[in-house]
Amino acid sequence: QVQLVQSGAEVKKPGASVKLSCEASGYTFTNYYMHWVRQAPGQGLEWMGVINPSGGSTSYAQQFQGRITMTRDTSTSTVNMELSSLRSEDTAVYYCARDHTGDVYELGYWGQGTLVTVSS
Amino acid sequence: SYELTQPPSVSVSPGQTARITCSADALAKQYAYWYQQKPGQAPVMVIYRDSERPSGIPERISGSSSGTTVTLTISGVQAEDEADYYCQSADSSGTYVVFGGGTKLTVL
Repeated sequence: QVQLVQSGAEVKKPGASVKLSCEASGYTFTNYYMHWVRQAPGQGLEWMGVINPSGGSTSYAQQFQGRITMTRDTSTSTVNMELSSLRSEDTAVYYCARDHTGDVYELGYWGQGTLVTVSS
Repeated sequence: SYELTQPPSVSVSPGQTARITCSADALAKQYAYWYQQKPGQAPVMVIYRDSERPSGIPERISGSSSGTTVTLTISGVQAEDEADYYCQSADSSGTYVVFGGGTKLTVL
């Protein structure tokens, strides 16, 4: 079965960077897009970007461009997301999510989420 | 920036039908997807491509589309349906994914 296992909670200071990972199993890693979505406390879902694990191409939401980088490691079936210049507003639960049927827009499988806390 | 508009809240009594709408110009060209999120849990996709239901999602949950508005319908609402529901689509160019603000469904 499809499983997405995310790395553990992080606490960072403002201005720092955070790198989160999402390890996939139960399917052919390079056949499905992987997205990152975040949710601030008590707020809605916010799309951050997507990576094609096959070639590594990416597309980022405009509000994150310049401080987000998504990469993949096909040898470990892992997608990484690094966010830099952190501020308090980046405190959120970050999710990775895989597309459902090969349609890039479908977020059919989700990781368990990683809490990132940004505080001085 | 592109936005999907949902009502903040919908309330229904058990056994009634809940309808949650989502509106945006680009929905006339792009599919919509719906997610259910319960407190402390990751979202779960309940509808894809406007009206398709993933395996394991009950038949009383359905989706429809008309022009620039899509609707999530939950028939025979049960207490377990109380959750936040988010619509999601892409902008008209298909470049970016966007979520609606979410609708809190309360079962009275």
